[in-house]
Amino acid sequence: EDQVTQSPEALRLQEGESSSLNCSYTVSGLRGLFWYRQDPGKGPEFLFTLYSAGEEKEKERLKATLTKKESFLHITAPKPEDSATYLCAVQARNNNDMRFGAGTRLTVKP
Amino acid sequence: DSGVTQTPKHLITATGQRVTLRCSPRSGDLSVYWYQQSLDQGLQFLIQYYNGEERAKGNILERFSAQQFPDLHSELNLSSLELGDSALYFCASSADGGSNQPQHFGDGTRLSIL
Repeated sequence: EDQVTQSPEALRLQEGESSSLNCSYTVSGLRGLFWYRQDPGKGPEFLFTLYSAGEEKEKERLKATLTKKESFLHITAPKPEDSATYLCAVQARNNNDMRFGAGTRLTVKP
Repeated sequence: DSGVTQTPKHLITATGQRVTLRCSPRSGDLSVYWYQQSLDQGLQFLIQYYNGEERAKGNILERFSAQQFPDLHSELNLSSLELGDSALYFCASSADGGSNQPQHFGDGTRLSIL
């Protein structure tokens, strides 16, 4: 069965303190790995899609990387507005639904 | 703004009742997905429709059903409601139903069962 595990569950950073979030996955043939950001009371907001090991995507202070077993979301010099829950999801080749991890709740203090 | 519209934003009802949640996908998107998000379960995939046809089914209870209409909006019907059905229900849409294109989410309907 496809599984997605995110760590840590929660992360508190000072403004400017860089760190990484981890997403470990088990899937029978990866079609795509997706990162989303979710703010309280809102729906998940799409950030990145990664398709194959070695791929990297960047957007502002965020950079996502992918290996055959895990993905990292690196946050460089975070700001308070980066505080949110970050969700990872995988889509397998043999089905159309996305399996989500439980998320990492990030808090960035000024 | 993702372009996906969900109504109502909040719904409060009692056990045993039936409710209908509505979703309008982004312009041009043919596929609609429904998810349930509760505190202890995270985001759980319920069902997918593509251009009016059911495409995939996840952990959807028999008391729940959905459909997608010719104008591509979708409705999720929840019946014989139980306390445990209290959750956020999200709709997402994508351009098509089979590729690895990202899904774009609405802001959800918060369902509270009293």
